[in-house]
Amino acid sequence: DGGITQSPKYLFRKEGQNVTLSCEQNLNHDAMYWYRQDPGQGLRLIYYSQIVNDFQKGDIAEGYSVSREKKESFPLTVTSAQKNPTAFYLCASSMRVNTEAFFGQGTRLTVV
Amino acid sequence: DQQVKQNSPSLSVQEGRISILNCDYTNSMFDYFLWYKKYPAEGPTFLISISSIKDKNEDGRFTVFLNKSAKHLSLHIVPSQPGDSAVYFCAAIATSGTYKYIFGTGTRLKVLA
Repeated sequence: DGGITQSPKYLFRKEGQNVTLSCEQNLNHDAMYWYRQDPGQGLRLIYYSQIVNDFQKGDIAEGYSVSREKKESFPLTVTSAQKNPTAFYLCASSMRVNTEAFFGQGTRLTVV
Repeated sequence: DQQVKQNSPSLSVQEGRISILNCDYTNSMFDYFLWYKKYPAEGPTFLISISSIKDKNEDGRFTVFLNKSAKHLSLHIVPSQPGDSAVYFCAAIATSGTYKYIFGTGTRLKVLA
C-alpha cells in the first residue's frame, strides 16, 4: 500500500539528548514537510523539502535539523538546542502541483 | 504573523444541521486552499480543496466556498453527523511560490446526537 510512515509513534527523550524522527513515503512525491502541533497553535511548519538534496527552513526551524538524501526519506532531528521539544510531530508529502498533502500518523515526543 | 486564521476555536452543532467552519487569510499570493480533518493523536486527513479560479467546490456532504475579495473561505457540512466531530484545519498554498502548506489553528467541531 502506498503511504507515508512515521516512526516511532511515541518517543521519550532525556533533556539534553538529540533524537531523530523517521519519515518515509512510497508515493513518489517530490515534496516533504515536517510540522509540529501544540495545543491551540495549529500546525506549524518546521522544515520542508521540494526536491532531493534541498530543504528550506519553515517558521520554527530553530533547534531542528533535517536531511533529504533520498526521495523517499526526510528524517527530522530534534537537537538539544530546541528549548521546548515536547510536542506532536507530523510529516507530510505532496506532488508539486495542485494536490493535497498526505500526512503520516505522527510521532509524540516527550522530554523527560 | 498568522497568515491563515481560524477565529473560532470550537463549534457545536446538532446532528442533521449544517456546520459552517470559517477561515481567513492575509496573503494574496495564496491560490489553492484545502480543508483537513484531524482526530487526536492521528495525522490530518484531506477533505476537500478549491483553486482560486473557482468560488465553490462540492464533494458529497462537504462544500467549500471561496471569496477572494474578502480573503475568506468556509467549509459547509450538510447534514452534520456525530462522526464529523473532529478538529478541522484550513490550509493555503501559493503554487507559484515556495509551495509550502500554511495551516490555520483549527476549529474543534462537536456534532451533538
